[in-house]
Amino acid sequence: GESVGLHLPTLSVQEGDNSIINCAYSNSASDYFIWYKQESGKGPQFIIDIRSNMDKRQGQRVTVLLNKTVKHLSLQIAATQPGDSAVYFCADMEYGNKLVFGAGTILRVKS
Amino acid sequence: ETGVTQSPTHLIKTRGQQVTLRCSSQSGHNTVSWYQQALGQGPQFIFQYYREEENGRGNFPPRFSGLQFPNYSSELNVNALELDDSALYLCASSLKGYDEAFFGQGTRLTVV
Repeated sequence: GESVGLHLPTLSVQEGDNSIINCAYSNSASDYFIWYKQESGKGPQFIIDIRSNMDKRQGQRVTVLLNKTVKHLSLQIAATQPGDSAVYFCADMEYGNKLVFGAGTILRVKS
Repeated sequence: ETGVTQSPTHLIKTRGQQVTLRCSSQSGHNTVSWYQQALGQGPQFIFQYYREEENGRGNFPPRFSGLQFPNYSSELNVNALELDDSALYLCASSLKGYDEAFFGQGTRLTVV
């Protein structure tokens, strides 16, 4: 089936810096995208979502950008904190609430 | 806390055995989806249950089966366990017609 994939498997950033995590998707019919954060031993936690009729959406310290032309998503985390260390997944939702996840990016925050 | 609870949290089974995993959905949610997450990978959709019936299935063999109960809780059953079934099994609950899905903490299954 269609897949959602990530460019960088591991990202290391200094505490206080901004982080950018990228994701490419292949299903041009996708119209809803979600970023999840998964900490060790826990299930994925919803961070932010975006619909295909938008190109940017902001939350608290996080921003998601969508470029439909090149089928690319990014998650920007401002002023990255040690508590942001986790695996980040992008996912798109197919018909019937089925989520298709990418492989994930490990974010490591150095103090 | 998402309000989605899974049990047990960890489980060790022998190849060939059968296993049942359980999920209680968030209050008010009528749809439960199950995902398998192998180590170092993203979750893979197994199937979804809505109104006690299977409502979509991923690329998993028939030995993966499920149930949903009138209170919307759900079970995932796996027969004839194989070593490759070792994974984190995640349950997500949602409300039909709404997009956001909430995940439980998962059940870590190890097949030896």
